[in-house]
Amino acid sequence: DAGVIQSPRHEVTEMGQEVTLRCKPISGHNSLFWYRQTMMRGLELLIYFNNNVPIDDSGMPEDRFSAKMPNASFSTLKIQPSEPRDSAVYFCASSPLRGRNTEAFFGQGTRLTVV
Amino acid sequence: AQSVTQLGSHVSVSEGALVLLRCNYSSSVPPYLFWYVQYPNQGLQLLLKYTSAATLVKGINGFEAEFKKSETSFHLTKPSAHMSDAAEYFCAVSDRGNKLVFGAGTILRVKS
Repeated sequence: DAGVIQSPRHEVTEMGQEVTLRCKPISGHNSLFWYRQTMMRGLELLIYFNNNVPIDDSGMPEDRFSAKMPNASFSTLKIQPSEPRDSAVYFCASSPLRGRNTEAFFGQGTRLTVV
Repeated sequence: AQSVTQLGSHVSVSEGALVLLRCNYSSSVPPYLFWYVQYPNQGLQLLLKYTSAATLVKGINGFEAEFKKSETSFHLTKPSAHMSDAAEYFCAVSDRGNKLVFGAGTILRVKS
């Protein structure tokens, strides 16, 4: 299996622009997670889906952030409009929906820089 | 809610020395605990996990961790550090809905 695939790996955009990050989970995994990593705040869970349904989006920082999972093999995280403080590494992870003892598998991340 | 605390944001050891990275957890239910490693510009990779089958858990790359309920700890150890172990290490606990809650991370430096 190719693992969790994220694109792009790097994104540089200007403040105010729309940014879309993409994720393809591991085939057969029912849970998908979006995390954000910064020096100041560490790893934060933004939102997660079970069976394509958003379960908990309490970590989404503002209405500028939105996430979708239209099918089991694709998810997007959109920031509109982007701001410099959104600069971070965004990780997507997936896991089988088998309970709390199941680990998550992470993608390589997307490094976002908003200038 | 479940949480973990990692003591020491940076740990420095000499090559060949013992590695000890500390993690304490807080959980209202029997915890499921994980250690992940992150190499520069990479995603997180699972080192090992505790799922109550055994208190001493062995992982990849010679790492192991011991679950101690009385101390609410799940410290990560390796008998002999290698230069390739230099990375950032994260302890995590599984919360409801199988989402992972991560500690702040510990950067391990290995000196030659």
